[in-house]
Amino acid sequence: EIVMTQSPATLSVSPGERATLSCRASQSVSSNLAWYQQKPGQAPRLLIYGASTRATGIPARFSGSGSGTEFTLTISSLQSEDFAVYYCQQYNNWPPLTFGQGTKLEIK
Amino acid sequence: EVQLVESGGGLVQPGRSLRLSCAASGFTFDDYAMHWVRQAPGKGLEWVSGISWNSGSIGYADSVKGRFTISRDNAKNSLYLQMNSLRAEDTALYYCAKDSEMYYFDYWGQGTLVTVSS
Repeated sequence: EIVMTQSPATLSVSPGERATLSCRASQSVSSNLAWYQQKPGQAPRLLIYGASTRATGIPARFSGSGSGTEFTLTISSLQSEDFAVYYCQQYNNWPPLTFGQGTKLEIK
Repeated sequence: EVQLVESGGGLVQPGRSLRLSCAASGFTFDDYAMHWVRQAPGKGLEWVSGISWNSGSIGYADSVKGRFTISRDNAKNSLYLQMNSLRAEDTALYYCAKDSEMYYFDYWGQGTLVTVSS
């Protein structure tokens, strides 16, 4: 099973600033990496797939990078609606499909 | 518009069974794999099970293997999860999720809550 590890667990950033979230895979997943955003009481929403491709309707301030075992989600200028929990997920090998434990992005 | 509506959750005693359903609309259901993903209260996301478009390929998380069975009825645009021998640690919000064709999830339902408790 591929283990996904996200860091930090909690990130405090001020609105308008940049946020950088990390995700590491226990073995290479190539570029088969997705990012999701989840707000309280809501289902997750797909942000990024293929490590760097934004999903339909996702603002350009969200960007993904990386390949192999190291990945980054960057939010260039935080808006109030961006404060949420973010999960990475590998889909290189299944079963199982595996998620990171999440990074909570909170307002500083 | 893609819609996924889960149902069947509830309070159940340990050791008992429950069957979840997911009604899909807004896309050609039998073109896509489907999945169940769960989230325990206050915890992260855990993939539970997935099934290919024709039920020819099925996978389970180790935590549910041998107890849960995924199935689908393409004629009814529906996905199911039969959960047997339920445990307290199965308590979670269960999401139905549409596969993108690449095994990430492009649409999610709102979830159905399963609580396993005596």
